[in-house]
Amino acid sequence: DSGVTQTPKHLITATGQRVTLRCSPRSGDLSVYWYQQSLDQGLQFLIQYYNGEERAKGNILERFSAQQFPDLHSELNLSSLELGDSALYFCASSVRPGGDEQFFGPGTRLTVL
Amino acid sequence: AQSVTQPDIHITVSEGASLELRCNYSYGATPYLFWYVQSPGQGLQLLLKYFSGDTLVQGIKGFEAEFKRSQSSFNLRKPSVHWSDAAEYFCAVGPQEYGNKLVFGAGTILRVKS
Repeated sequence: DSGVTQTPKHLITATGQRVTLRCSPRSGDLSVYWYQQSLDQGLQFLIQYYNGEERAKGNILERFSAQQFPDLHSELNLSSLELGDSALYFCASSVRPGGDEQFFGPGTRLTVL
Repeated sequence: AQSVTQPDIHITVSEGASLELRCNYSYGATPYLFWYVQSPGQGLQLLLKYFSGDTLVQGIKGFEAEFKRSQSSFNLRKPSVHWSDAAEYFCAVGPQEYGNKLVFGAGTILRVKS
């Protein structure tokens, strides 16, 4: 158990819908990351927050957004969902914003029908 | 652009045999290097990391990896594989400077036969 929690574990929804994925980092970690794992794209970095501020952005679609709250938990919002958004979404956390190892949560499996 | 190559998609080894999983990276400077393992339906667990210093690093579960700058490689090894090591293994590279985005390889699926 890494100490990073993600809810829900599974999510099934329809195209065009909007969902919110939630992540709580390890106690004491200030930085949160979101990754997407799909069969065709592999593991891809989406976005990083550090102490409430966006720190780095990767291959995140405009339909996706994220934020980190004052209690340091983070939410990833996915809207206008398409079939291709079906994937495993991981959250990770670290103490520092850079040059640090990341601890991964168990992931949220999103299925878009 | 940063990239990580894991040339072997699948590897099968016998229980008790030695293991080496290959990883090559392309990066503009000396990166941080990581190996993660993912069991079916699980998240990613950090096996080991290289930041600086001794190029042979020890990790959990009896794994080790060697950083070879001249070959841009960070291969993972284990002298004797156990059936419980069957999983998918990911090599990743991260920057030493600003930001902490990890770039992952495509993964190597390890099958252990008894």
